[in-house]
Amino acid sequence: TQLLEQSPQFLSIQEGENLTVYCNSSSVFSSLQWYRQEPGEGPVLLVTVVTGGEVKKLKRLTFQFGDARKDSSLHITAAQPGDTGLYLCAGPRLTNYGGSQGNLIFGKGTKLSVKP
Amino acid sequence: DTAVSQTPKYLVTQMGNDKSIKCEQNLGHDTMYWYKQDSKKFLKIMFSYNNKELIINETVPNRFSPKSPDKAHLNLHINSLELGDSAVYFCASSQWEGKETQYFGPGTRLLVL
Repeated sequence: TQLLEQSPQFLSIQEGENLTVYCNSSSVFSSLQWYRQEPGEGPVLLVTVVTGGEVKKLKRLTFQFGDARKDSSLHITAAQPGDTGLYLCAGPRLTNYGGSQGNLIFGKGTKLSVKP
Repeated sequence: DTAVSQTPKYLVTQMGNDKSIKCEQNLGHDTMYWYKQDSKKFLKIMFSYNNKELIINETVPNRFSPKSPDKAHLNLHINSLELGDSAVYFCASSQWEGKETQYFGPGTRLLVL
């Protein structure tokens, strides 16, 4: 069974601090995605990482895909109150034949609160 | 223009009632999904439709019946609502099956009393 474990589950920090959120699995994923969900809204895609070892940057957010494609991390530099939200990692479910299904498996999320 | 829209945004109803949630996407995508997000914020796939055909049906009670009149719409009908059905239901779409980028609607908050 493919599972994505996210840690920490909750994170409360002061504005200006750095933080890292982790997404781990015992399964290999063809790609992993990170979404941010704000209260009362649906998840919004931040990034997709596809290649093992890949690093992508989105302003103050840095995403990394593990070399073995079993894990990913999200690092936020100098967090701001606007970064507050639920961060979800997700990956495509594999079929019995090793291909990717369209639906996504989600981690349970990291709830980030950045205080001014 | 909202890419993926859902109605209603809030739904409060009594146990035993039947209710429907509607979803529409104007992205021209072939594949649409229903997800359930529980009180602990865990998102889980319920159904997936590709070009009006059901392709994924996870372990969901048969009280839940999706209907896709055309590829831009995927509605969810729920019979005999139970307390445990209370959750946020998200509709999503992707360009085609296996195209991983999904666009989510704003969610429907269902509360069963």
